[in-house]
Amino acid sequence: AQSVTQLGSHVSVSEGALVLLRCNYSSSVPPYLFWYVQYPNQGLQLLLKYTTGATLVKGINGFEAEFKKSETSFHLTKPSAHMSDAAEYFCAVSLFTGNQFYFGTGTSLTVIP
Amino acid sequence: DTGVSQDPRHKITKRGQNVTFRCDPISEHNRLYWYRQTLGQGPEFLTYFQNEAQLEKSRLLSDRFSAERPKGSFSTLEIQRTEQGDSAMYLCASSLWGYGYTFGSGTRLTVV
Repeated sequence: AQSVTQLGSHVSVSEGALVLLRCNYSSSVPPYLFWYVQYPNQGLQLLLKYTTGATLVKGINGFEAEFKKSETSFHLTKPSAHMSDAAEYFCAVSLFTGNQFYFGTGTSLTVIP
Repeated sequence: DTGVSQDPRHKITKRGQNVTFRCDPISEHNRLYWYRQTLGQGPEFLTYFQNEAQLEKSRLLSDRFSAERPKGSFSTLEIQRTEQGDSAMYLCASSLWGYGYTFGSGTRLTVV
């Protein structure tokens, strides 16, 4: 079975500070991992994904994530938070690319000026 | 074609009424997915189509829910005899053989 746990439903950071959003997964087979961002009343926008290969994945808007198999983690980071980063972030796992996603419950990021 | 379109964006209905939502995928995409997202939760998979064939259905998709994709292009999701628990955002996504997975902006359903 596949599942995702996002630690911390709310995270607040100061503008310019490091953003760290945590995601741990459970999968019976090598997973495909994703981070999505959702702004209010909007759909989901893909930030980045890991399928195979390099474990450090770079995405849009300066975000990156590292796949750590030994820790079953896929934490999302950004060196310097911007006000426009305030949104809901979802980690997701799938068995194969294009298969159904299993999403975490989300982390709401607040950026304090 | 700029993305996945969903209509309507918002729907308010009285309990017990039937509602239907439409999703237009990216034109060249052969796979179409429906998800439901309740407040404060991540999206949950409901069902997916490959062309016109419905290949997988979640246990979340009760008998009151039905989805179609008659010509392998747009899809409809119908909820019969709506209940307050059906209030949620219904998200559609599409892909080409699993690639270019793109979500629409969703239809927000409120059952009063």
